[in-house]
Amino acid sequence: NAGVMQNPRHLVRRRGQEARLRCSPMKGHSHVYWYRQLPEEGLKFMVYLQKENIIDESGMPKERFSAEFPKEGPSILRIQQVVRGDSAAYFCASSPQALSMNTEAFFGQGTRLTVV
Amino acid sequence: GDSVTQMEGPVTLSEEAFLTINCTYTATGYPSLFWYVQYPGEGLQLLLKATKADDKGSNKGFEATYRKETISFHLEKGSVQVSDSAVYFCALIDLAGTALIFGKGTTLSVSS
Repeated sequence: NAGVMQNPRHLVRRRGQEARLRCSPMKGHSHVYWYRQLPEEGLKFMVYLQKENIIDESGMPKERFSAEFPKEGPSILRIQQVVRGDSAAYFCASSPQALSMNTEAFFGQGTRLTVV
Repeated sequence: GDSVTQMEGPVTLSEEAFLTINCTYTATGYPSLFWYVQYPGEGLQLLLKATKADDKGSNKGFEATYRKETISFHLEKGSVQVSDSAVYFCALIDLAGTALIFGKGTTLSVSS
């Protein structure tokens, strides 16, 4: 059973370009979470999705950022018109059901975005 | 809102030394508590967890006890190895159960 797969592992974008980060959850997992890790910071929750639905996007910046988890295919985190401050590691996690004391989230290896 | 505070790093130890990484939290109720580990260039892996007061989580020689009185979940290991060098994150599940809330992480560096 493959783990959570994120690609690309490294992404370089010029200011103003769009960045698309992909996350394929573990088989059988329908819950996906995106986190951002800035240098010297912990992981900050961005968005929680369940197939075709955004459940909680309280951590998403109001502009330029969007996320989706279609019925078929990976979850996508999209950043439009990237700026240098978007440079960070973006981690995706998945779980078979909503998080609880008995439900573990499994993390991917992350996508390291560098904006130049 | 819910939050986690853990000791600043980096922590530098010699092999076989005793490790403590402090973690305290602020939350409504009594959330489940976790320690995750991130090895260089990798994603996070669950190290251990505790789901109620006085529970002790343990794995790979690491331990942490859920202390309701001191709202703490300190990570300990009696004898660290070079292979334990990593970043350690303390976390809790938020009240809504929608997300893990992480501390800033503590970098551990163990030398032989």
